[in-house]
Amino acid sequence: GEDVEQSLFLSVREGDSSVINCTYTDSSSTYLYWYKQEPGAGLQLLTYIFSNMDMKQDQRLTVLLNKKDKHLSLRIADTQTGDSAIYFCAEGVSGNTPLVFGKGTRLSVIA
Amino acid sequence: GAGVSQSPSNKVTEKGKDVELRCDPISGHTALYWYRQSLGQGLEFLIYFQGNSAPDKSGLPSDRFSAERTGGSVSTLTIQRTQQEDSAVYLCASSFSGTPGELFFGEGSRLTVL
Repeated sequence: GEDVEQSLFLSVREGDSSVINCTYTDSSSTYLYWYKQEPGAGLQLLTYIFSNMDMKQDQRLTVLLNKKDKHLSLRIADTQTGDSAIYFCAEGVSGNTPLVFGKGTRLSVIA
Repeated sequence: GAGVSQSPSNKVTEKGKDVELRCDPISGHTALYWYRQSLGQGLEFLIYFQGNSAPDKSGLPSDRFSAERTGGSVSTLTIQRTQQEDSAVYLCASSFSGTPGELFFGEGSRLTVL
């Protein structure tokens, strides 16, 4: 069945780069996503990548996709205290079908 | 407001009682999802509504759980005879046919079963 795995915790110093990793199992996944959940709030889409892409960059965010290894990563450059949150990796097959989420990685940024 | 609205934000109930959780999606969004977020378990898919199609109930954990969506808008998730393991944050999300997979989440309803 579908499964998305990610490490549960990551701690970095302010100004350093953060790299959050994720592996997924469904080879038919069309889209891979990163969602961010700030304390007491719902999830918010951060970025996504089509499965036929290797990389996507959006300001401080870089998403890398290794489709062969089913590995997705999110790099946050110049990490700030405001980046402290839980980051969820998710996969989807098409359009509006339900996404499968990982358990989330709690990123702590130390000033 | 313009976002997904959920109520109540917090609910404490006794084991064996029934609870209803409500979700008001963003106007015009055709798809509506319920997920459950438990400590250490991540997001667990429960049920999905898309337009007038039959809902995808494949994620409901037992027959104590049910959901409906009236008029293609507001949805209610009902948990009958609640158990302690039902304690979690229940998240509702809606989407339209824009950015694939862009779900707009509410802030959730935190359910505590004593």
